[in-house]
This record gives sequence, structure tokens and C-alpha cells, in this order.
Amino acid sequence: EAGVTQFPSHSVIEKGQTVTLRCDPISGHDNLYWYRRVMGKEIKFLLHFVKESKQDESGMPNNRFLAERTGGTYSTLKVQPAELEDSGVYFCASSQGQGASHEQYFGPGTRLTVT
Amino acid sequence: GDSVTQMEGPVTLSEEAFLTINCTYTATGYPSPFWYVQYPGEGLQLLLKATKADDKGSNKGFEATYRKETTSFHLEKGSVQVSDSAVYFCALSGTGSGGSNYKLTFGKGTLLTVNP
Repeated sequence: EAGVTQFPSHSVIEKGQTVTLRCDPISGHDNLYWYRRVMGKEIKFLLHFVKESKQDESGMPNNRFLAERTGGTYSTLKVQPAELEDSGVYFCASSQGQGASHEQYFGPGTRLTVT
Repeated sequence: GDSVTQMEGPVTLSEEAFLTINCTYTATGYPSPFWYVQYPGEGLQLLLKATKADDKGSNKGFEATYRKETTSFHLEKGSVQVSDSAVYFCALSGTGSGGSNYKLTFGKGTLLTVNP
């Protein structure tokens, strides 16, 4: 069974540009999450999809971030326009089933560098 | 808001030494605690978890007991190996603080290096 995949693994862009990150969850997982780790800080929750619906987007930093999950399969996270403070590692995770104790399976992350 | 505090590293040990990484939390509701591990060059993976008070999670020789009275979930291993070198994250879900009950709240991570 394939794990959670993310693309690209690394992206370097200039301030003001747009970047789109992609996440492919484990097949059949209804729950999909985005997290971010800024250098030296905790991994922070961004948002949670259940199928194609946003269950919770309370962690999204501002309206420069837009997440979508077309057809309840893969998800994209667009940053437009990017700012220096957006640099960090963006993780995607997926899980199956009900309940907060279910394991979330993480992808390898996308390292975003904004210069 | 909810928060997780874990022992800050880095921690450097010799092989076969005893390991403890402390983790405490503040949260509302009835949280579920986890330990995730990130090996060099890899993504986060679940190491162990607990689902109710006084549960002991265990995996690969690591153990952690969920103590609600002290709001703690300390990670221990009796004899570490070089292959245990990684970053360890304590996390909580189900905190009931609004929004998604499934979202994970993480500690800052503890870098462990085990020398031969």
C-alpha cells in the first residue's frame, strides 16, 4: 500500500510568487490534514478535510493560503502571494475512521523556501 | 489554548543507556496522546499512543503511560540503540477545544543522538 505522497519535495520561490503544494493521501482515507513547521517552532495544524469538505480550517494563517480537495482525493495548498514568513516544511497527513485516537499517516513533507 | 511541552534537546546518549523524554500538556476535553518519530530523511511516523487514562503504549522497546492526574505522557526506553537516533514529537488529539477534534497539537520535538 502506497503511503502519503507530497510534491514537490522542495520549492524555492521569491517573495510575491505563487506556489502550489500537492498531497496524495493513502487510498480510502477520508481524513486529510495539512500541518506546517516553521524553523525552530512546533508543527502547527493548518486544516482538516473530511472527503472534499473542510472540517476545520482554524489553523490557516491568513487568506493568502487556499486549500482544496477535489473529489475527496488529492489536495492542494496554494500560497499566493508568498511571504518570507511562509518558509517552512509543510506536512500532509491522512487517516481513516472515526475518533481522535486514530493514527495519522504523514507524508515526507514539502520544504518551502521563500527568498 | 491547548499546548504540549516536551523536554528540549538535543539529547545525546551512549548505546544501551536509559532514555526518558518528558512530555506534559494542558488541554480541555479528553485528549489522546501520541509519540511520533522522525528518522533522518524520512517523514513522521507513529511510535506509540494511548487511548485512555493509565494506558501504556509500547513499541520497539519504547513505552509511555498516559497519566491524566499529572497530564503527562513521558517516553522511556531501557536501552537505546544507535538506530534510535531521531527527532521525537509528543502530540495530542481530541482536545475538544473547538473545530476538528482530530487535529494534532505537537510539542517542539526532541533530537536524540545515540553514539556507539
